[in-house]
Amino acid sequence: GENVEQHPSTLSVQEGDSAVIKCTYSDSASNYFPWYKQELGKGPQLIIDIRSNVGEKKDQRIAVTLNKTAKHFSLHITETQPEDSAVYFCAASRDNAGNMLTFGGGTRLMVKP
Amino acid sequence: EADIYQTPRYLVIGTGKKITLECSQTMGHDKMYWYQQDPGMELHLIHYSYGVNSTEKGDLSSESTVSRIRTEHFPLTLESARPSHTSQYLCASSDVAVEKLFFGSGTQLSVL
Repeated sequence: GENVEQHPSTLSVQEGDSAVIKCTYSDSASNYFPWYKQELGKGPQLIIDIRSNVGEKKDQRIAVTLNKTAKHFSLHITETQPEDSAVYFCAASRDNAGNMLTFGGGTRLMVKP
Repeated sequence: EADIYQTPRYLVIGTGKKITLECSQTMGHDKMYWYQQDPGMELHLIHYSYGVNSTEKGDLSSESTVSRIRTEHFPLTLESARPSHTSQYLCASSDVAVEKLFFGSGTQLSVL
């Protein structure tokens, strides 16, 4: 089955700096890679996703890059703000309705004002 | 905003009690899930359902059971709670054709 590794487990940055979270996956057939953000006291919420037919996707201050050859993908947050502080999860799955997401272990991001 | 609700939000009970964690969604999603989240953050899938009368065990073995009698409702039951069951339990749902998961806010269970 799929195995997703996520690094780092904790990340502390100064407000305004960039943050990068990296994930690797094991199943070369995986082709859907979402990122979820979990704020304190809430459930995870999808913030961005990417499919294997593209190498990069951007949405305002967040971007995700995918390297299928190396089987890794990354989340980039630019100009970080205190409200970006949360736990972030990457995930991977094969693209059909019957498959489950496999989540990474999570990264606790702290943005210091 | 996701329309998926979990109750109670917090639950503190004694060992040996039977408990049911409630999860309801109003989006008409066929697929529903229960995840257990440990203090180290990791999410572990313990149960899922593809629709009414369908239930499957997830990757992490759990002593809990689930039922899916109605599309919108996916309760989780522990017949005899133990301290090892202390954890955050998250319910989620998704449309069959779309992978996006909608999560509830979770139930924080503490068994004394």
